[in-house]
Amino acid sequence: GAGVSQSPRYKVAKRGQDVALRCDPISGHVSLFWYQQALGQGPEFLTYFQNEAQLDKSGLPSDRFFAERPEGSVSTLKIQRTQQEDSAVYLCASSPRGTGNEKLFFGSGTQLSVL
Amino acid sequence: AQSVTQLDSQVPVFEEAPVELRCNYSSSVSVYLFWYVQYPNQGLQLLLKYLSGSTLVKGINGFEAEFNKSQTSFHLRKPSVHISDTAEYFCAVSGKTGAAGNKLTFGGGTRVLVKP
Repeated sequence: GAGVSQSPRYKVAKRGQDVALRCDPISGHVSLFWYQQALGQGPEFLTYFQNEAQLDKSGLPSDRFFAERPEGSVSTLKIQRTQQEDSAVYLCASSPRGTGNEKLFFGSGTQLSVL
Repeated sequence: AQSVTQLDSQVPVFEEAPVELRCNYSSSVSVYLFWYVQYPNQGLQLLLKYLSGSTLVKGINGFEAEFNKSQTSFHLRKPSVHISDTAEYFCAVSGKTGAAGNKLTFGGGTRVLVKP
């Protein structure tokens, strides 16, 4: 595809359920990022991959959050035992080079609602 | 550590009027500065960025921003807005190298509503 694709677009989960959010970056992009955007706030960094290597996961809020990019392309963000405070829009971004201060290309996000 | 403050959460403006969105940052290291725009139901798009050189940066759609190091500001301006500029605007910073260079720190956003 031409841009960063995220699925599902919307996800409703009951508290305690596990969820998996998918990101398809632009083909050939080296770097991939996950951000969390709570309602009315700016995005906050979660984690960063360079190819398949997760180089920074300092923004993951707890050990319930796990991200992977096993083949250096598609990435999955998994949240275990979801809680209400996990409700947010999860944004994925990619960039062609190996740093995060280049131009990032963002997907439209997955809106997660935990009931 | 870095932080970004966008001083206005909402800015109503009439079509063809000028607009300025204010952004101040703090950082213990040298930074790069960015403005992103988020249209409804779309991903964030880069408007412009300051890396080095001239402190006046021109971006897409007629926007420009000025980096002021002494005031740690990076305000965004457009001399004449269109209805289509209705969106949310985010100021962001990143470090230049290392771990700080691999993440953006965003402000809380400014919602611009252009009225006819």
